[in-house]
Amino acid sequence: DTEVTQTPKHLVMGMTNKKSLKCEQHMGHRAMYWYKQKAKKPPELMFVYSYEKLSINESVPSRFSPECPNSSLLNLHLHALQPEDSALYLCASSQDVRIQGEHSGANVLTFGAGSRLTVL
Amino acid sequence: AQSVTQPDIHITVSEGASLELRCNYSYGATPYLFWYVQSPGQGLQLLLKYFSGDTLVQGIKGFEAEFKRSQSSFNLRKPSVHWSDAAEYFCAVDKTSYDKVIFGPGTSLSVIP
Repeated sequence: DTEVTQTPKHLVMGMTNKKSLKCEQHMGHRAMYWYKQKAKKPPELMFVYSYEKLSINESVPSRFSPECPNSSLLNLHLHALQPEDSALYLCASSQDVRIQGEHSGANVLTFGAGSRLTVL
Repeated sequence: AQSVTQPDIHITVSEGASLELRCNYSYGATPYLFWYVQSPGQGLQLLLKYFSGDTLVQGIKGFEAEFKRSQSSFNLRKPSVHWSDAAEYFCAVDKTSYDKVIFGPGTSLSVIP
């Protein structure tokens, strides 16, 4: 299995709603990522989980809350979002190449198809 | 400033014509380099990667890229473009000191039948 699966594909929510985006991979990758992508722009890194621990938070507002229940699953919990949060949310995974705390090798990312979020 | 640039925002080529998409990076050391492709409404797919060694790397779908250290460039090429190649192309770098992959702004490719 060489896929990253994201659900739902489309999500429409109001600013007072609570929803979650889900991501799953079964490649044995130990690093998982959330990216946000606006139209005609490159993906912007939001969060990185390495070995199920949050290793990078790119100063993302607290209305976005990531969770990594296990090495195969990654969630993004959404609460009190703003219309400007409407975007394509991409999940990715990679074989974590950190060895004894040192980074070696490269992060080859495998992306899911994304969840298209619209905030009304 | 450390960055990844793709000078061409949009390129239009005729089907069957050759293609070159440009990418430049500005980092102190040679990072790991990638090209990803994104079809409309889809996720990103890895086309090819450069880690070290031979500076001409082959990828999927008939693409290749050449790393030129002296020019800090990693340009993507294809000898004959197909209509299905129309997509957004992102150059990306992985700085080895961080768990981050940084993407360039992207080049949108249109293919004329």
